[in-house]
Amino acid sequence: GAVVSQHPSWVICKSGTSVKIECRSLDFQATTMFWYRQFPKQSLMLMATSNEGSKATYEQGVEKDKFLINHASLTLSTLTVTSAHPEDSSFYICSAFPGQGDEKLFFGSGTQLSVL
Amino acid sequence: GQQVMQIPQYQHVQEGEDFTTYCNSSTTLSNIQWYKQRPGGHPVFLIQLVKSGEVKKQKRLTFQFGEAKKNSSLHITATQTTDVGTYFCGSSSGGYQKVTFGIGTKLQVIP
Repeated sequence: GAVVSQHPSWVICKSGTSVKIECRSLDFQATTMFWYRQFPKQSLMLMATSNEGSKATYEQGVEKDKFLINHASLTLSTLTVTSAHPEDSSFYICSAFPGQGDEKLFFGSGTQLSVL
Repeated sequence: GQQVMQIPQYQHVQEGEDFTTYCNSSTTLSNIQWYKQRPGGHPVFLIQLVKSGEVKKQKRLTFQFGEAKKNSSLHITATQTTDVGTYFCGSSSGGYQKVTFGIGTKLQVIP
């Protein structure tokens, strides 16, 4: 099946620093990828839709200047958490679907972000 | 995505007992997808239902989509410890599969 690789798996950073998370589709091209955030014992909350070659579409309540998304190629989307604060600590996970009749989402392994 | 509500949030069962989780929407859904997330892992796709009244089976798992396409259920027969995890239902909209998830049902199986 399709593989989505996410890096890093976990990161600890100081408050005020920026953190970049990468999401790669390894064996298919993804014009669209999705970024989710999951707090402990809660559901997956869609943050934004990453569109290759154009601006990301953010869900209501998600600060686009805080969570910068770049989708520069058909296989790579990045999420940068800028000026991270402790309340940004969460599990961030990306997903993509191969398309072409395959309608299921494939998820990356997620990134656990801890901001001190 | 289309809003979906999921119950229960938590379920503890004795190994061998059955388990069911329910997903409901106030609006007609174009489809319903089910995912399983093991503790510490990422969601893995289980199945998608599209047709009204559709029923699909995967070994001990039975998935149903309501006639009105507003509800769905996942039933596990004779649970095993390997069934432990959180089961999410979700529904997609748009041509690029933007999926909105329910809150999930965390299943604990007691050996």
